[in-house]
Amino acid sequence: AQSVTQLGSHVSVSEGALVLLRCNYSSSVPPYLFWYVQYPNQGLQLLLKYTSAATLVKGINGFEAEFKKSETSFHLTKPSAHMSDAAEYFCAVSSNRDDKIIFGKGTRLHILP
Amino acid sequence: GAGVSQSPSNKVTEKGKDVELRCDPISGHTALYWYRQSLGQGLEFLIYFQGNSAPDKSGLPSDRFSAERTGGSVSTLTIQRTQQEDSAVYLCASSRYSDPYEQYFGPGTRLTVT
Repeated sequence: AQSVTQLGSHVSVSEGALVLLRCNYSSSVPPYLFWYVQYPNQGLQLLLKYTSAATLVKGINGFEAEFKKSETSFHLTKPSAHMSDAAEYFCAVSSNRDDKIIFGKGTRLHILP
Repeated sequence: GAGVSQSPSNKVTEKGKDVELRCDPISGHTALYWYRQSLGQGLEFLIYFQGNSAPDKSGLPSDRFSAERTGGSVSTLTIQRTQQEDSAVYLCASSRYSDPYEQYFGPGTRLTVT
């Protein structure tokens, strides 16, 4: 069975600093991995996805994530945080296109002025 | 076009009563998901419909929970004999068969069991 673990339920970074949100996965088959974002009072939306092509995936709003099989990780990064990045971020995993997507517990990102 | 819609947006019910939550997916989307979002618990998968295939019910927490999808479109999640621990936001999402990983989420139904 697939699962993801997000390290840190809350992360605070200063505006302009590097954002790093950690996600480790567990999967018995090559995984498909995703990051979703939920802005305050809004629905979830897809930020980026890894589906076995390039290991470095670029998403919206300057975010990117790198699939590292040796570390079973799919950490989300952004070089310079902006106040508008404050949101809850969810890592998710699936085994194939016809299988369900399993989400992590989420990490709430706080941006300090 | 219209996004995923859910109704009601808020539901307060007494313990022991049955509730029905409705989801209208985006037209043409073949996949439909139900999730439960509780504070500190993230998104808990409940059930997944894909086209005419048998639904994946592996996430339903008990036999009090059931869901159906009529005509491959609208879905209803039913919770029988509600308990206080059922209080949560219930989210519905749909996706196209050609891009199953981009799920489009509805605004959710906030269920409060008193």
